[in-house]
Amino acid sequence: GAGVSQSPRYKVAKRGQDVALRCDPISGHVSLFWYQQALGQGPEFLTYFQNEAQLDKSGLPSDRFFAERPEGSVSTLKIQRTQQEDSAVYLCASSFGLDGSPLHFGNGTRLTVT
Amino acid sequence: QKEVEQNSGPLSVPEGAIASLNCTYSDRGSQSFFWYRQYSGKSPELIMSIYSNGDKEDGRFTAQLNKASQYVSLLIRDSQPSDSATYLCAVNSGRDDKIIFGKGTRLHILP
Repeated sequence: GAGVSQSPRYKVAKRGQDVALRCDPISGHVSLFWYQQALGQGPEFLTYFQNEAQLDKSGLPSDRFFAERPEGSVSTLKIQRTQQEDSAVYLCASSFGLDGSPLHFGNGTRLTVT
Repeated sequence: QKEVEQNSGPLSVPEGAIASLNCTYSDRGSQSFFWYRQYSGKSPELIMSIYSNGDKEDGRFTAQLNKASQYVSLLIRDSQPSDSATYLCAVNSGRDDKIIFGKGTRLHILP
């Protein structure tokens, strides 16, 4: 596809359930970023990859959060034992990975934990 | 100190006037600076990128960068109601390619 694709678009989980969010970046994009955006706030950095290497995961809020990109293309963000404070929009973005190349965002996954 | 700071607004500007949005950043090593627009319920979309000190113009938009003052701004000329949105400033880390966003400034163009 032409853009970054995220699925599902919406996810409702009961507290304690595990969820998996998928991101399919633009073809040829080396870098892939995950952000968490709460209502009325800017995107908060979670983690990013260059190809399959996870270069920075300093933004992951707890060890319940895990991200992978095993073949350097599609990425999955997994949240174990979801809590209400995990409710947010999760944005995925990709870029060519060249120094200074801008990010292109997917439509996001809105996660609601009840 | 937050890495990227913006006034949250709302900033109200009459239609046809110039809207001025400001952003400061803390990492002196940052080299790449971006402005994104985000409509309510939508994802951010890139408006401008700027890498060198000075001004960069694209249509009604002008980005201004002053690395010595660690300051980047966005001017929107001839503001239109469709410009009403949240504007996000984003800066790359000087140490790696991590890109950090500010909290955004809500802009409201008054018809």
